[in-house]
Parts: sequence; structure tokens; C-alpha cells
Amino acid sequence: DIQMTQSPSSLSTSVGDRVTITCRASQSINSYLNWYQQKPGKAPKLLISAASSLQSGVPSRFTGSGSGTDFTLTINSLQPEDFASYYCQQNYISPWTFGQGTKVEIK
Amino acid sequence: QVQLQQSGPGLVKPSQTLSLTCAISGDSVSSNSVAWNWIRQSPSRGLEWLGRTYYRSKWYNDYAVSVKSRITINPDTSKNQFSLQLKSVTPEDTAVYYCARESLTALFDYWGQGTLVTVSS
Repeated sequence: DIQMTQSPSSLSTSVGDRVTITCRASQSINSYLNWYQQKPGKAPKLLISAASSLQSGVPSRFTGSGSGTDFTLTINSLQPEDFASYYCQQNYISPWTFGQGTKVEIK
Repeated sequence: QVQLQQSGPGLVKPSQTLSLTCAISGDSVSSNSVAWNWIRQSPSRGLEWLGRTYYRSKWYNDYAVSVKSRITINPDTSKNQFSLQLKSVTPEDTAVYYCARESLTALFDYWGQGTLVTVSS
């Protein structure tokens, strides 16, 4: 199975800050990488697919980049509603696997 | 708009079978362009894909190796839903279980509301 490793596991930050979350795959997955946002008590929500394609309705302050094994999710000018957990997921080869998550908390 | 509505018990005794159902609206369990998945989430395992069922002229199933000997995912075309059965559960199977639709490009684009299942006597 492809292992997905995210860092950091958590971070404390403030409204208006820029946040960067990284995700590393244990082997090359080209651009088969998706990002999800999860708020407490809710199911994950798809934010970005194919490493950098923003889903409809997702604010443009979210950007994804990377290919191969290293990927980044950046949130520019963090808003109060962005405090949540974020997960990467590879869809290169089954079984689909997720990173362990990054919790973005209010400082 | 696709909606997935989960149902099933929140408490299961050790060694028994966990059973959950996911009712689909706005799409068909028999669609040729999607797959229907079960995913669970726990503090110890994170988000863990369990398996899926899908129709491509006939029915297929894929299961995670970790649960392959214990899991069954079945479609129910008469009710437009699909189910999860996980046999011989232990406390390690305690988790929030989600059903999710998988697009042709293997994105989980619609999710159920989640069901916390606790395995305890």
C-alpha cells in the first residue's frame, strides 16, 4: 500500500495568516492527490483534486501544488471557518490511502 | 444533489457482526460511473478505506486486506442502497463509519453523515 505522510500533525495559527501543509507519498503518485477538509463531527469535504484543481465552491485562498511524491496545501489569509483538520488522499492505486491529518487550530 | 443517509446500530458486542446501511438519493447504486465505498475513522487508524461495490455490466467488490476476511459490502438495487457487514468485531473496530461515493477518478465527492460504532460488551 502507498503510505501518505502529512506534516505537521497540528499547528496553531491566527486569522489572516498563511498556512502550508505538506503531504509525502511513499512512492510516486504523479498528480493523483486529493485534499479534504474535515470539521468536528462532520464528514470530510473534498477541496482539491488532481493535486491542484479546486473543487467548485471552494474559496480561491486554497491552493494545491506538487507532483510525484511531494505535495502542498496552502491556505492564504486564513479565515475563521478554515480552522479544521485537513487530509491528503492518493487515488493513484487501490487501496486508496489517506494521510494522518493536520489539525489547524486557533492560536 | 446526491445525498447519502446512513443507518445502523451504534453499539455492537465483541465477536458479533457490525451492520450498516447507506441509502442513496440523487444517484443510483447501479450507476456505471461511480463506486460506493465504506471508510472508517478512529484516533488510532485515522481514515481507513474498507471497501467498495460498483457496477460495470456486473457487480464488483474490492476490500482492504486488513478486513478482507471479515467484510461484505452488498448493493440493494430494490432500495437503492448498499450495506456494510463486518464480522467478528473487536474493540479495535470502534470507529466512525462513513459511506461515500467515489467518482470515476477515485474522488470521494459525497459522504454520509457518519455513524459512531462502539464495540463493547
